Amino acid sequence: EDKVVQSPLSLVVHEGDTVTLNCSYEVTNFRSLLWYKQEKKAPTFLFMLTSSGIEKKSGRLSSILDKKELSSILNITATQTGDSAIYLCAVKLNAGNNRKLIWGLGTSLAVNP
Amino acid sequence: GAVVSQHPSRVICKSGTSVKIECRSLDFQATTMFWYRQFPKKSLMLMATSNEGSKATYEQGVEKDKFLINHASLTLSTLTVTSAHPEDSSFYICSARGFGDSTEAFFGQGTRLTVV
Repeated sequence: EDKVVQSPLSLVVHEGDTVTLNCSYEVTNFRSLLWYKQEKKAPTFLFMLTSSGIEKKSGRLSSILDKKELSSILNITATQTGDSAIYLCAVKLNAGNNRKLIWGLGTSLAVNP
Repeated sequence: GAVVSQHPSRVICKSGTSVKIECRSLDFQATTMFWYRQFPKKSLMLMATSNEGSKATYEQGVEKDKFLINHASLTLSTLTVTSAHPEDSSFYICSARGFGDSTEAFFGQGTRLTVV
């Protein structure tokens, strides 16, 4: 059965800290891995990773995929209270599986002032 | 980025009635739309995948007759919760994907359904 596991499930940090969120996967038909941020409503897209070892960066957020280890990390540096959210990782399957997304449970991040 | 509009954002209905939720892609053609359900503090649970002009593919355990999905055009998909019961109360989210392998899925704003 295809699955995506995120860790930790929840995390509480202080403003200015750096956090690393983990996502590991076991799927039969990997195409890409995606990271989303969910606040009160629907998830918003952060990154899509398809190649191993190539870091994607957006401001204080960065992410990298390791296909050998079947995992990805999402880094947030100099955290701010606005970073508080649930961070979701999803793996996109190949076309034979309708390219559907397999979702992890998410990491709930709380950044305290 | 692409915009997906979901309507209504919140609905309260009586047990036994049906509720229709719309998902529209506003600035691109959505070849595939996904419908999810999310319980509090839980991840997204895929309910069904719909491709324009064909029948939806439902995930195991999701009742087809209960959750009717129609994807009649490249910009609109609807989810109808039929004969709603309190246990159907949940957050329902749609996502839409356009042409091309590299398009990520864009999400609607979600619909909070409360059945009383």
